[in-house]
Amino acid sequence: QQQVKQSPQSLIVQKGGISIINCAYENTAFDYFPWYQQFPGKGPALLIAIRPDVSEKKEGRFTISFNKSAKQFSLHIMDSQPGDSATYFCAASKRGDYKLSFGAGTTVTVRA
Amino acid sequence: DAGITQSPRHKVTETGTPVTLRCHQTENHRYMYWYRQDPGHGLRLIHYSYGVKDTDKGEVSDGYSVSRSKTEDFLLTLESATSSQTSVYFCAISESGSGRQYEQYFGPGTRLTVT
Repeated sequence: QQQVKQSPQSLIVQKGGISIINCAYENTAFDYFPWYQQFPGKGPALLIAIRPDVSEKKEGRFTISFNKSAKQFSLHIMDSQPGDSATYFCAASKRGDYKLSFGAGTTVTVRA
Repeated sequence: DAGITQSPRHKVTETGTPVTLRCHQTENHRYMYWYRQDPGHGLRLIHYSYGVKDTDKGEVSDGYSVSRSKTEDFLLTLESATSSQTSVYFCAISESGSGRQYEQYFGPGTRLTVT
């Protein structure tokens, strides 16, 4: 049973648009929430991560929003570019436990 | 790929044969992990290691074993491969201390097909 539920499975966005990917969890022991980006034929790469003591973290065009009470977090890709076309995974880890539980992934396609 | 290599990169094998995948790192990181990636499942942890000769099971460990005799090498063995083990296998590493163990870095993957 997946501990982190991710949606949508795939999305298509126009160049310059906003991509939004959502994740939800049940285990309140989770306290580290990273996002990974994966291009075809490559391994996942750490993109951005957040801890529950903040509600938002921004790095360039990528923003994580975190809602602790709803046990949800999301990735926003602003001004989406064709180079952002990839599969994105959310994940979560418990305090003191470095193992990650991954969502099922979202394939993002940015149309030029 | 953060100083991580995996070998082989592709392998086709027959049901019932043993298979060993190798992960080699040059980062001297303490923690190493093996995941499998399947459509609709994301990445699922098979086994992990928190030091030389220190390993433990992940969520999908049945049919797999691991060994770590040196810091830099983590081997994944399928004792008797089955078609359900057809997948892409990723190795990951993370270092210890100051929360850095949460940041995992992945290798390029091994595509395994069991016929």
